[in-house]
Amino acid sequence: DAGVTQSPTHLIKTRGQQVTLRCSPISGHKSVSWYQQVLGQGPQFIFQYYEKEERGRGNFPDRFSARQFPNYSSELNVNALLLGDSALYLCASSLGQLNTEAFFGQGTRLTVV
Amino acid sequence: GNSVTQMEGPVTLSEEAFLTINCTYTATGYPSLFWYVQYPGEGLQLLLKATKADDKGSNKGFEATYRKETTSFHLEKGSVQVSDSAVYFCALSGRQAGTALIFGKGTTLSVSS
Repeated sequence: DAGVTQSPTHLIKTRGQQVTLRCSPISGHKSVSWYQQVLGQGPQFIFQYYEKEERGRGNFPDRFSARQFPNYSSELNVNALLLGDSALYLCASSLGQLNTEAFFGQGTRLTVV
Repeated sequence: GNSVTQMEGPVTLSEEAFLTINCTYTATGYPSLFWYVQYPGEGLQLLLKATKADDKGSNKGFEATYRKETTSFHLEKGSVQVSDSAVYFCALSGRQAGTALIFGKGTTLSVSS
């Protein structure tokens, strides 16, 4: 069975640009969460979506947005990129709304120059 | 708010040595507790979990016991291998829908032969 897949794996953007990151959860999983991991730190929660609705939001500015599609895949959008947005963006999928067992993808490494 | 504190690294051990990585938490209610492992260039993998007090999670020779009285969830392994070299993250999650995984800063383990 395929695990959580994220695309692209690496991305370089310029300050001020916009970026879209994609995530496909494990088949049958209805919840997708997004995390930002800055080098040397633990992941920080950005969003959780369950059944296509936002169910949780972390302390990130409105430049960050996301959505979940009918097939449960998800996109994370970041507008007006800043140098500080450079990080590994991780997607996690789980069966339900609770994090009793969250499975992570390999992540998208975003570099803002 | 909820938080996780884990011991600073790096932790450097010889093969077959005993490993302990300390983790304490602050949380309201009764969170679920997790250890995740991140190998170089990869996403997070769930190593073990415990969902209630006195539960012991175990996997691949690693163990951790949910200690409510000391708010701790220390990771232990009796005999580490070179292949255990990675970054280890302690995390907690509340029991309400939409709550995030809260991670510690991570502890880097380096095992030499």
